[in-house]
Amino acid sequence: QKEVEQNSGPLSVPEGAIASLNCTYSDRGSQSFFWYRQYSGKSPELIMSIYSNGDKEDGRFTAQLNKASQYVSLLIRDSQPSDSATYLCAVNMRGGYQKVTFGTGTKLQVIP
Amino acid sequence: IAGITQAPTSQILAAGRRMTLRCTQDMRHNAMYWYRQDLGLGLRLIHYSNTAGTTGKGEVPDGYSVSRANTDDFPLTLASAVPSQTSVYFCASSDGGLGEQYFGPGTRLTVT
Repeated sequence: QKEVEQNSGPLSVPEGAIASLNCTYSDRGSQSFFWYRQYSGKSPELIMSIYSNGDKEDGRFTAQLNKASQYVSLLIRDSQPSDSATYLCAVNMRGGYQKVTFGTGTKLQVIP
Repeated sequence: IAGITQAPTSQILAAGRRMTLRCTQDMRHNAMYWYRQDLGLGLRLIHYSNTAGTTGKGEVPDGYSVSRANTDDFPLTLASAVPSQTSVYFCASSDGGLGEQYFGPGTRLTVT
């Protein structure tokens, strides 16, 4: 089992819809969870961090964490073509900043 | 404020040659990292440094070395490049133990 798993996609959604990106992780002791956005040919950009169970909202983005199910998700409301990118889930396992493990990413396509 | 800079932007290197990828940050972050990103494999940690003067091995350290003489600089050296080291290399930094990392623009390296 991979430490951090994501569906590679592509996930296609129409403009204005909600995009839902999912991630599961293997280490039950994981403490911090992150979502990065990576445009083609560019570097990953941190867009959301979440540390406790529940929802965290930032503009059109909502991160959801369920530690019991070892599941973290990212919702993008009112999706725009500019949201088309690969979204990387990252998990800080057992604390210590050297132990961040990245998923392979989900490619999102927002269709105008 | 530039954040993290990397040099060169891209490089074609003959197998067997020595190469140093440069990384400089101006955020005074304690921790720095080197990743390689390959299609289908995601981001993989090569080496990290929790603070100036210390370094550690990541998931794929073989063939690479690093040094951390000061807070700002974290060069990555390929002593004798091989074609399997063809990849995109990202440097990142973090200011604490929660794991939020910020990435440089990357270096695209091709070993022929």
